[in-house]
Amino acid sequence: EVQLVQSGVEVKKTGESLKISCKASGYTFSTNWIGWVRQMPGKGLEWMGIIYPSDSDTRYSSSFQGQVTISADKSISTAYLQWSSLKASDTAMYYCARGAVPEYWGQGTLVTVSS
Amino acid sequence: DIQMTQSPSSLSASVGDRVTITCRASQGIRKDLSWYQQKAGKAPKRLIYAASSLQSGVPSRFSGSGSGTEFTLTISSLQPEDFATYYCLQHNIYPRTFGQGTKVEIK
Repeated sequence: EVQLVQSGVEVKKTGESLKISCKASGYTFSTNWIGWVRQMPGKGLEWMGIIYPSDSDTRYSSSFQGQVTISADKSISTAYLQWSSLKASDTAMYYCARGAVPEYWGQGTLVTVSS
Repeated sequence: DIQMTQSPSSLSASVGDRVTITCRASQGIRKDLSWYQQKAGKAPKRLIYAASSLQSGVPSRFSGSGSGTEFTLTISSLQPEDFATYYCLQHNIYPRTFGQGTKVEIK
């Protein structure tokens, strides 16, 4: 059974760094694209970017390029989304999803950033 | 980036109604479009991929059609569990882009 289990709720201050995770199981992690989607409070889905763990080929939306970093660790079947300096506008639910056409989704990680 | 425009942004319908949601791409994307359903507080669920292929386990009252720039999601007979927000996603090129969503509410 394919499962994506995301790390827990995060409450951070503006300017802090953060790395959230998405642990995959039930399939071959390295040969399946895995991506991230943002959903701000009360808003729609925004595609952020995606990585192919086998060779770390990474694609970003222009809206998120330079704002976040997507990475993956094949040895532990885990994908990451990280920020070096959080803003209040990063407050959102973040989902990981498997596939170049997302099929399986994680449960979401709620990130709250305040000053 | 390809822009995806969904319409309507919301609709009210009754159980048993036929519901149609449209998604328009800013450029041709062949049949590289998927539809997702999201219920409040839950992760999205894929309903349709490649414009018209039904995801395994999804009821047959859901169907998709279209190609190029114009796509449609149809629910043939709306059920109580179908009240949710629906999104299209183009998967023709990177970056992928979602439509802005259509909220289906109870009339």
